[in-house]
Amino acid sequence: DIQMTQSPFSLSASVGDRVTITCRASQSINNYLNWYQQKPGKAPKFLIYTASSLQSGVPSRFSGSGSGTDFTLTIRSLQPEDFGTYYCQQSYSTPITFGQGTRLEIK
Amino acid sequence: QVHLLESGPGLVKPSETLSLTCNVSGYSISSGYYWVWIRQPLGQGLEWIGSIYHSGSAYYNPSLKSRVTVSVDTSKNQFSLKLSSVTAADTAMFYCARGRGTSGTTWFDYWGQGTLVTVSS
Repeated sequence: DIQMTQSPFSLSASVGDRVTITCRASQSINNYLNWYQQKPGKAPKFLIYTASSLQSGVPSRFSGSGSGTDFTLTIRSLQPEDFGTYYCQQSYSTPITFGQGTRLEIK
Repeated sequence: QVHLLESGPGLVKPSETLSLTCNVSGYSISSGYYWVWIRQPLGQGLEWIGSIYHSGSAYYNPSLKSRVTVSVDTSKNQFSLKLSSVTAADTAMFYCARGRGTSGTTWFDYWGQGTLVTVSS
């Protein structure tokens, strides 16, 4: 199985900050990396696919980059509604696996 | 707009079979894509359970494969999950989702709201 490791485990940032979350795969997954946002009590929301493609309707302050084993999710100019837990997910091979999540708190 | 809604018992006894159904609206399952089950123990991360294509080709997580069956009913535009021999460790929020990609390796663009299943006697 491909293990996905996110860092940091949690972070706190202020409105307007630039936030970066990293995700590392235990082997190369090319660009088969996707990102989700989950708020408490809600289903995950799909943000980015194939490392850098923004899902329709997702604000442009979200962006993704990376290939191979190292990936980042960047939120440019953090907004109050961006709190929640962010998960990366590899779609390179089955079993499909997720990172453990990064909890983002707004100061 | 694609909408998915899970349904099924919220309480299952140990050793019994958990059965859930996902009703899809706004998109015909027979038109394509994968149809997926994912679970999340409370306060924990996400675990992919299995995916099925509209044709019936299925992919399962090896960690659950011996206990899982995912099926699709295109006439009702729904798909289902059966998980046998459940234990307390199977207590989780269960989500159905639509998967985009190939050969069972997908990302998940639409999700149901989730349904909590508790395994307890």
